[in-house]
Amino acid sequence: GESVGLHLPTLSVQEGDNSIINCAYSNSASDYFIWYKQESGKGPQFIIDIRSNMDKRQGQRVTVLLNKTVKHLSLQIAATQPGDSAVYFCAENISRRFVFGPGTRLSVLP
Amino acid sequence: NAGVMQNPRHLVRRRGQEARLRCSPMKGHSHVYWYRQLPEEGLKFMVYLQKENIIDESGMPKERFSAEFPKEGPSILRIQQVVRGDSAAYFCASSPPPGAEEQYFGPGTRLTVT
Repeated sequence: GESVGLHLPTLSVQEGDNSIINCAYSNSASDYFIWYKQESGKGPQFIIDIRSNMDKRQGQRVTVLLNKTVKHLSLQIAATQPGDSAVYFCAENISRRFVFGPGTRLSVLP
Repeated sequence: NAGVMQNPRHLVRRRGQEARLRCSPMKGHSHVYWYRQLPEEGLKFMVYLQKENIIDESGMPKERFSAEFPKEGPSILRIQQVVRGDSAAYFCASSPPPGAEEQYFGPGTRLTVT
């Protein structure tokens, strides 16, 4: 069946270091992916997206990498800040709906 | 430019009562999606609607749950005869035409069934 999974359920990083959050997806037909950030008690917030015809996309302090060969997605956050502490979800678009992974909790240590 | 609005933010219902959750999409957005999230879990797709049409309800439980997006007014997710297992956060997202591209989420409604 469909599934999007994450290698690391929790991640702790020092403030100022770079963070890498990984995601494995199972549907090779997925053509669009989004990373969301969710803070406690709030709805998911769009961070960055990527289409399957790309392997890398950069935003402000964030980069998403897509490896279609192994069906792997990653989110890199540069110079991680306390405000980056949240749960991060990858989501893949399957038949015009999104399938979300279980999430990775990112904790930024002072 | 207001984002996706959901109300109420918190809803408490006793077993057997009905729950009505409302979602107003962003201005100009005609596509609405409902997701359910259990504590410490990811979001699970429930239903995808356009104005007056249900496009995909493959994630909706077959009984007690229904959704609509009328020509005028917000989208409504309705849960009849709630049970404790319905306790969750329910999120609405919207996207502009043609739909299912970038989705913007509301703050969610946290339903507690006592």
